[in-house]
Amino acid sequence: AQSVAQPEDQVNVAEGNPLTVKCTYSVSGNPYLFWYVQYPNRGLQFLLKYITGDNLVKGSYGFEAEFNKSQTSFHLKKPSALVSDSALYFCAVRARGFKTIFGAGTRLFVKA
Amino acid sequence: GAGVSQTPSNKVTEKGKYVELRCDPISGHTALYWYRQSLGQGPEFLIYFQGTGAADDSGLPNDRFFAVRPEGSVSTLKIQRTERGDSAVYLCASSPWTSGGGSTDTQYFGPGTRLTVL
Repeated sequence: AQSVAQPEDQVNVAEGNPLTVKCTYSVSGNPYLFWYVQYPNRGLQFLLKYITGDNLVKGSYGFEAEFNKSQTSFHLKKPSALVSDSALYFCAVRARGFKTIFGAGTRLFVKA
Repeated sequence: GAGVSQTPSNKVTEKGKYVELRCDPISGHTALYWYRQSLGQGPEFLIYFQGTGAADDSGLPNDRFFAVRPEGSVSTLKIQRTERGDSAVYLCASSPWTSGGGSTDTQYFGPGTRLTVL
């Protein structure tokens, strides 16, 4: 079965410190992987995606993610967290066809 | 430009009633998705349209749920005989088609419709 796991319900980090939000997936074939962010009272916003090519993908707002095929992971990272990064983050994988499967989400809390 | 819009933003109905939820995608986007998001969970795929046709409706939970996109733009999600378990935020997303003929895969989400079934 195809699935996405975000093992942490919440991640806490101090402003200026690096952050990592974890994601692992299970899908047949080559995955298309995505990160979306949801701010309070706003819709989901696209951050970045991996389709093919370089395993390190750079996206919006200074975020990046690394595709690791052997570990079936696609962790989201940022070198220096901002308080304004506090939000709900979703990892997603596109399986065969166009069905996109989302993880349950990880709440990021950045403390000043 | 204008993003994806969804109406109504909130809908409260009684068990057994019929509801329609509307999605206006970004102009020119040929791909359209519907999702359902329950509290504390990620969006759950319902249906995908490419143009006017439903290319994948495998996520529709049962035959009470139906969606249309008659002119390849606006889409309506229809729920018959609503149940309390249908209460959730219903999200719509659209995606452009590239000049090369493939999807860009990036989905642009609307703000959602919060459906409450009493």
